Amino acid sequence: SQQGEEDPQALSIQEGENATMNCSYKTSINNLQWYRQNSGRGLVHLILIRSNEREKHSGRLRVTLDTSKKSSSLLITASRAADTASYFCATDGRVDMRFGAGTRLTVKP
Amino acid sequence: ETGVTQTPRHLVMGMTNKKSLKCEQHLGHNAMYWYKQSAKKPLELMFVYSLEERVENNSVPSRFSPECPNSSHLFLHLHTLQPEDSALYLCASSQEGSGGTEAFFGQGTRLTVV
Repeated sequence: SQQGEEDPQALSIQEGENATMNCSYKTSINNLQWYRQNSGRGLVHLILIRSNEREKHSGRLRVTLDTSKKSSSLLITASRAADTASYFCATDGRVDMRFGAGTRLTVKP
Repeated sequence: ETGVTQTPRHLVMGMTNKKSLKCEQHLGHNAMYWYKQSAKKPLELMFVYSLEERVENNSVPSRFSPECPNSSHLFLHLHTLQPEDSALYLCASSQEGSGGTEAFFGQGTRLTVV
């Protein structure tokens, strides 16, 4: 199972702005997931999008999936300082799940 | 609280010590994982247990030894570690076969090898 690769590595925005992070992967997937990690803590699942879905929303989160380009994006709208964290995508194999190095998002008050 | 508990939260050990990390999940999941997270590197999948059987071992050095005595508990036994093994070790669990494999992570054990 291939890991996702997030882009950019780091992103700094002002509170209230939107943040967009991208993920690319190399092989066919069943679904793709986005996770969030506060500094030095465990990862928290945000959203899962299946390979037959193109877009999914959850609160201020919007995820898109383009299987033809093997890419996904995570949009956080109206960002808050509390959104400061690292964000990871994970491609889903059978029982394993592999993550990229993440995007470090900083939201300035 | 994610339902996955890791102990200890912090561990400092010498290179000749033997220690164990513990992970416990109360979610009824059938798969458990160990990941290693080093600074500015992707999470590294170390071991996967599904239905208490090890299904993956990603060329992890033998100084790391996993144990899964039942579906709720996972251990990582450590011995003669190297300073480069210092990292955050994360345990996760998921329910395989449900069509979606959302993983639940523990808070991690911050390991420092001196």
